[in-house]
Amino acid sequence: GAGVSQSPSNKVTEKGKDVELRCDPISGHTALYWYRQRLGQGLEFLIYFQGNSAPDKSGLPSDRFSAERTGESVSTLTIQRTQQEDSAVYLCASSQWRGGNQPQHFGDGTRLSIL
Amino acid sequence: SQQGEEDPQALSIQEGENATMNCSYKTSINNLQWYRQNSGRGLVHLILIRSNEREKHSGRLRVTLDTSKKSSSLLITASRAADTASYFCATDASQFGNQFYFGTGTSLTVIP
Repeated sequence: GAGVSQSPSNKVTEKGKDVELRCDPISGHTALYWYRQRLGQGLEFLIYFQGNSAPDKSGLPSDRFSAERTGESVSTLTIQRTQQEDSAVYLCASSQWRGGNQPQHFGDGTRLSIL
Repeated sequence: SQQGEEDPQALSIQEGENATMNCSYKTSINNLQWYRQNSGRGLVHLILIRSNEREKHSGRLRVTLDTSKKSSSLLITASRAADTASYFCATDASQFGNQFYFGTGTSLTVIP
């Protein structure tokens, strides 16, 4: 596709359930980022993938959060045993390669609501 | 924290006026980027300025960078209603890893 695609666009689930969020980056982009954005707030870095290198997981807030990416393709962010404070928009971005001089291309996010 | 802080948090102007937003950060950077976010959408890259640059233009956008003050400003000239959005700065300090640090954003409303 032309841009970064995320699914689902909205997810409502009960506290304690597991959720899986999906991100399809732009084809050929080696770098992929996940962010969390709480209502009215800025972006909070979660995790970064670069090709086949080990991911940078330093932003994951707890061991309930995990993410996978196979090569330079789709990534999934999984949140286990969801809590109400997990309610937020989860944004995925990709860039052509690693580096601060590369613009990030964002999907429209998954709006997660935990009841 | 390296996180940038935008100022003001919210700005409301009339169409045709100029809008200025500021970003401050805490440590040395390699690059600084500005992004726009329309309500309910992802962020869109606007402009990048490198640490050795002082000013950059793109259409109606003008970005300045003062590394001695650790601050940047984004000026939108002749604003339009379609410019209504939140604006974020993002800094890259690669010596701290792979992370980009996004500020808390300025919410701009342009009144037609």
